[in-house]
Amino acid sequence: EIVLTQSPGTLSLSPGDRATLSCRASQSVGGHVAWYQHKPGLPPRLLIYDASNRAPGIPARFSGSGSGTDFTLTISSLEPEDFAVYYCQQRSSWVTFGGGTKVDLK
Amino acid sequence: EVQLLESGGGLVQPGGSLRLSCAASGFTFGSYAMTWVRLAPGKGLEWVSSVSGKSQSTYYADSVKGRFTVSRDNSKNTLYLQMNSLRAEDTAIYFCAKDHREGVVINFYFEKWGQGTLVAVSS
Repeated sequence: EIVLTQSPGTLSLSPGDRATLSCRASQSVGGHVAWYQHKPGLPPRLLIYDASNRAPGIPARFSGSGSGTDFTLTISSLEPEDFAVYYCQQRSSWVTFGGGTKVDLK
Repeated sequence: EVQLLESGGGLVQPGGSLRLSCAASGFTFGSYAMTWVRLAPGKGLEWVSSVSGKSQSTYYADSVKGRFTVSRDNSKNTLYLQMNSLRAEDTAIYFCAKDHREGVVINFYFEKWGQGTLVAVSS
């Protein structure tokens, strides 16, 4: 099973800050990574697929990069609605999710 | 507008069974693979099972293989998850999710999710 390790576990930031979230795979997954945003009581939301493609309706402040084993989700300037938990997911070998990074208010 | 509405969750004793349903609307249901993902208390998301659009292919996580069965009725636009031999570790919110792209092959990116239904396994 491919293990995805997300870091940091928690990121404490302020609105307007840049957020950089990391996802590392235990073996190469090519570019087959997606990122999701999840807020309590709401369904998860697909942000990025195939490592760097924004899903429809996702603001340009969200961007993804990486390939192989190392991936990054960047939020260029945090908006109040961006405080949430973010998960990476791979589909290269079955499906696994990372443990999540919580972005909270500093 | 795409809508997914799960139902069927509840409290069940260890060893018991439940059947979850996911009613879909707003898209051509039979053209998309569908997936169940769960979120256990204090843990992250876990993929559970996927089924292709015409039910040609089904896939399961090792943790549920042999106990859970995924199915769909395209005439009713509904996805199901039959859960047998439930364990305490199956306690979670169960989400159904629509595949990112239509087609025969399962895409395994999840574009739209329901609100979830809570399954609690406890004596």
